[in-house]
Amino acid sequence: EDQVTQSPEALRLQEGESSSLNCSYTVSGLRGLFWYRQDPGKGPEFLFTLYSAGEEKEKERLKATLTKKESFLHITAPKPEDSATYLCAVLTGGSYIPTFGRGTSLIVHP
Amino acid sequence: EAGVTQFPSHSVIEKGQTVTLRCDPISGHDNLYWYRRVMGKEIKFLLHFVKESKQDESGMPNNRFLAERTGGTYSTLKVQPAELEDSGVYFCASSPLVSSQETQYFGPGTRLLVL
Repeated sequence: EDQVTQSPEALRLQEGESSSLNCSYTVSGLRGLFWYRQDPGKGPEFLFTLYSAGEEKEKERLKATLTKKESFLHITAPKPEDSATYLCAVLTGGSYIPTFGRGTSLIVHP
Repeated sequence: EAGVTQFPSHSVIEKGQTVTLRCDPISGHDNLYWYRRVMGKEIKFLLHFVKESKQDESGMPNNRFLAERTGGTYSTLKVQPAELEDSGVYFCASSPLVSSQETQYFGPGTRLLVL
């Protein structure tokens, strides 16, 4: 059975303190890995899709990377508005249904 | 372009009652998905429509849940009768019917509390 584990569960940072969130997966035949951002009371908002090991994508202060076993979401010099829950999800084999992790709740203090 | 919308945003009902959730996908998106997140757990798949046809309903927990998508536009998810364990956040997502487009766009969710 496909498994997606995100760590840490919660992370508190000071504004400007860079860090990384981890998404490790145990799946057969990874086809794609998604990162979403979710604000309180809202649905997941798409950030990135990564398809192969070594791939990297960037958006403002966020950079997502992918290896054969895990993905990292690097946050550089975060701001309070980056506070949210970050979700990772994977697509495997011929399935179009993503398997989600439980997310990392990020709080950035001013 | 309007995103995925869901109604209601919140619903509080008593055990045994019926609740109907509605989802309006992004215009032109033929794929429509329902998910649920129970407190403390991950988001889990319920079912998938392609236009008005149910493509996959393997995630539906039991026959108290009924989903429809008449005309291939909006969809409804009815829970009848509701049980305590049905509480959670129900998300709808949509995507275009293009094989290379696998990103799903989520609505804000309906928060259901069964007392």
